[in-house]
Amino acid sequence: DTGVSQNPRHKITKRGQNVTFRCDPISEHNRLYWYRQTLGQGPEFLTYFQNEAQLEKSRLLSDRFSAERPKGSFSTLEIQRTEQGDSAMYLCASSRPQNSDDTQYFGPGTRLTVL
Amino acid sequence: SQQGEEDPQALSIQEGENATMNCSYKTSINNLQWYRQNSGRGLVHLILIRSNEREKHSGRLRVTLDTSKKSSSLLITASRAADTASYFCATEGYQKVTFGTGTKLQVIP
Repeated sequence: DTGVSQNPRHKITKRGQNVTFRCDPISEHNRLYWYRQTLGQGPEFLTYFQNEAQLEKSRLLSDRFSAERPKGSFSTLEIQRTEQGDSAMYLCASSRPQNSDDTQYFGPGTRLTVL
Repeated sequence: SQQGEEDPQALSIQEGENATMNCSYKTSINNLQWYRQNSGRGLVHLILIRSNEREKHSGRLRVTLDTSKKSSSLLITASRAADTASYFCATEGYQKVTFGTGTKLQVIP
């Protein structure tokens, strides 16, 4: 257990529905990352926050995806009008960069299945 | 897109043997990290090597980095069945960490 929690752990939804995932990072970590991982692949970067500011978004993050970190603590990732191609594991990680080292601590992930 | 490519994609060894995985990447980096992922779980950080370092040890792990060849290797000595997992390299450039495609290691008891 790294101290990063994600909820729910599993989500099954029908195509076209909206889903929202939550990530609670390690409390003193100012950076929070979202990744998507499909079977047999490494995690793919989606977006990250420095405190409450969203600093970078991947082109993988279509306009159906939105992420927030309103108070610089927990974060939510919402997917609107889900598609079958959104089925994946969504991973959250947090870090507190020091001396240009950014070791990330990952949560257990939320596995999304879109039927 | 994936920055790093791990080689081999899959590796099966007997318990007690050493396992070596390689990672190649494309752009300049600040550091390179190795992570382990057990099936269906989150990633666990193993070791970080900075761009000005050539070799680093942590327990049964040895990591090398050759920035001229843009490659790194992870050696696990005296493997155990509990080492069975996928191993990913991750390169850190400007404000972003990019993961490779992973090596799936199976250690047979």
